[in-house]
Amino acid sequence: KQEVTQIPAALSVPEGENLVLNCSFTDSAIYNLQWFRQDPGKGLTSLLLIQSSQREQTSGRLNASLDKSSGRSTLYIAASQPGDSATYLCAVNGDTNAGKSTFGDGTTLTVKP
Amino acid sequence: SQTIHQWPATLVQPVGSPLSLECTVEGTSNPNLYWYRQAAGRGLQLLFYSVGIGQISSEVPQNLSASRPQDRQFILSSKKLLLSDSGFYLCAWSWSSGFYTEAFFGQGTRLTVV
Repeated sequence: KQEVTQIPAALSVPEGENLVLNCSFTDSAIYNLQWFRQDPGKGLTSLLLIQSSQREQTSGRLNASLDKSSGRSTLYIAASQPGDSATYLCAVNGDTNAGKSTFGDGTTLTVKP
Repeated sequence: SQTIHQWPATLVQPVGSPLSLECTVEGTSNPNLYWYRQAAGRGLQLLFYSVGIGQISSEVPQNLSASRPQDRQFILSSKKLLLSDSGFYLCAWSWSSGFYTEAFFGQGTRLTVV
């Protein structure tokens, strides 16, 4: 059974700092890994999707990497802003049905002005 | 473009009452549909998924059921709510073909059973 762990559970940084969120998973037989953002009381917004054959994906100030053999992914946020404050969830998909993912518990990020 | 709608946004229901949450997808046909539940401060747990009309798979035993009466409509139901059914419920969809697709989520329903 796939297990996904996100460390740290919470992170507080000053504005402008670069930061890394970590995601680890126990079963390396995955199709893809997806990073989501969740604002309080809201749904999930997809940030980046990394296919199992890819090493990284970039979108603006976000860069996600995947090391499938070691069961790890990182989400790098450059030049953090207060608007980046949210919970970030990692989801690992080991099934051909893209929505049948296993989620971590998330990292709650606070960026202080 | 594709959109997903979920309603209601919030719901307070007494123990023992029935439940019906609805989710619809626009702009695509034959999507895979999913219901997730999120406990406070936790990640998401997959409850049900559907690959077609009338086809429902349950991931965890529980007090809830799901139905797909139309291609782009997914309904989460209960005959009698329990306190433990409280939580944040999210509907999601993905394309049915191809391995390399992503999941798209609705805005969720906050259910409080009192």
